[in-house]
Amino acid sequence: GAVVSQHPSWVICKSGTSVKIECRSLDFQATTMFWYRQFPKQSLMLMATSNEGSKATYEQGVEKDKFLINHASLTLSTLTVTSAHPEDSSFYICSAKAGTGYTFGSGTRLTVV
Amino acid sequence: DAKTTQPTSMDCAEGRAANLPCNHSTISGNEYVYWYRQIHSQGPQYIIHGLKNNETNEMASLIITEDRKSSTLILPHATLRDTAVYYCIVRFGNNNAGNMLTFGGGTRLMVKP
Repeated sequence: GAVVSQHPSWVICKSGTSVKIECRSLDFQATTMFWYRQFPKQSLMLMATSNEGSKATYEQGVEKDKFLINHASLTLSTLTVTSAHPEDSSFYICSAKAGTGYTFGSGTRLTVV
Repeated sequence: DAKTTQPTSMDCAEGRAANLPCNHSTISGNEYVYWYRQIHSQGPQYIIHGLKNNETNEMASLIITEDRKSSTLILPHATLRDTAVYYCIVRFGNNNAGNMLTFGGGTRLMVKP
């Protein structure tokens, strides 16, 4: 079945630094990928839709200059959290549509200290 | 996409069937019902989806009422590893890759020994 690989699975970074999260579709091409964020005991919230070869579409309230998304190929989308702060600590999950369903990455737990 | 309503939490005894309800009274004719689950600190996992007929796969059964305003996900023999948050999502089943999944609160299923 369709597999989405997300890396890293967890990362700890210092406040003010940037962190890049990668999402790869391993056995299919994904023209569109989705980035979600999940805070403890809450549901997944869509942050942005990543489109191959074009600009990402951000949900209301999500700062595009802080959460940089690059989708340069049909199998790779990256999310860079710039100038991270403790309030950016969260579980970040990517997803891609594959066939009639959606496949999700295993998530990245970001802790900003 | 139509909104869904699920109970916040449910318990189930190990080995018993777990029946998870979902109300989607505003569903439209060409919207599908999708079920995903999320085990703690992992990405969501696809379970099953359907339009109007009941569906069954190796993981679960999906029962959709005739008026399509509600559905039930059935795990026939719940195990401890089925403890997770289960999300019922309704969305159009076209192949438009730009249509993302919108997550509600889900049902936290606790399978107990």
